[in-house]
Amino acid sequence: AQKITQTQPGMFVQEKEAVTLDCTYDTSDPSYGLFWYKQPSSGEMIFLIYQGSYDQQNATEGRYSLNFQKARKSANLVISASQLGDSAMYFCAMREGRVTDKLIFGTGTRLQVFP
Amino acid sequence: EPEVTQTPSHQVTQMGQEVILRCVPISNHLYFYWYRQILGQKVEFLVSFYNNEISEKSEIFDDQFSVERPDGSNFTLKIRSTKLEDSAMYFCASRPGDRSDEQYFGPGTRLTVT
Repeated sequence: AQKITQTQPGMFVQEKEAVTLDCTYDTSDPSYGLFWYKQPSSGEMIFLIYQGSYDQQNATEGRYSLNFQKARKSANLVISASQLGDSAMYFCAMREGRVTDKLIFGTGTRLQVFP
Repeated sequence: EPEVTQTPSHQVTQMGQEVILRCVPISNHLYFYWYRQILGQKVEFLVSFYNNEISEKSEIFDDQFSVERPDGSNFTLKIRSTKLEDSAMYFCASRPGDRSDEQYFGPGTRLTVT
């Protein structure tokens, strides 16, 4: 089974609108961390936001927020007020357990913001 | 703002040659990683490094691969005898310490094996 599932290969959103990128995860370990990274066409991986499994509140970083639903094992990224510069690939990733700190990535969602 | 740097940005090599990919992690970070991303695919973990030794490695990280922290700032990935399937983007990442989970990635080195 996939540890991280991103079911949306591509998403479109109009500038200034909000968009939600889906991510579900699979783990039986109670301690884990969830990450979102942005990869523009230039190729670098930009850290956006992090949510720990024990965090009581949803993480927020500027226009990015993480809609963490533990029972559903989902960690959706919400981008508010989309900008043209948000067009990129977005990857969800998980660190599973405390013994390991490797990140397991999903297949990504390509977001395109149009004017 | 401090960032992870990687050199070169693009490396072209012939099959069978050795390559060394270089990274300078964020200073005062303690944990270091290499990941790779084959074109169009997801990012895959290769190896993690802490306290001058490998703490974890994936199945991809076979005897052809090695890592080293030769001094206080550089972190290198060596591929001894490159294969065509080693062509990928290689990312270095670093993490501050035990109280922080965030891994910060460098811009990547695109390795092309011909």
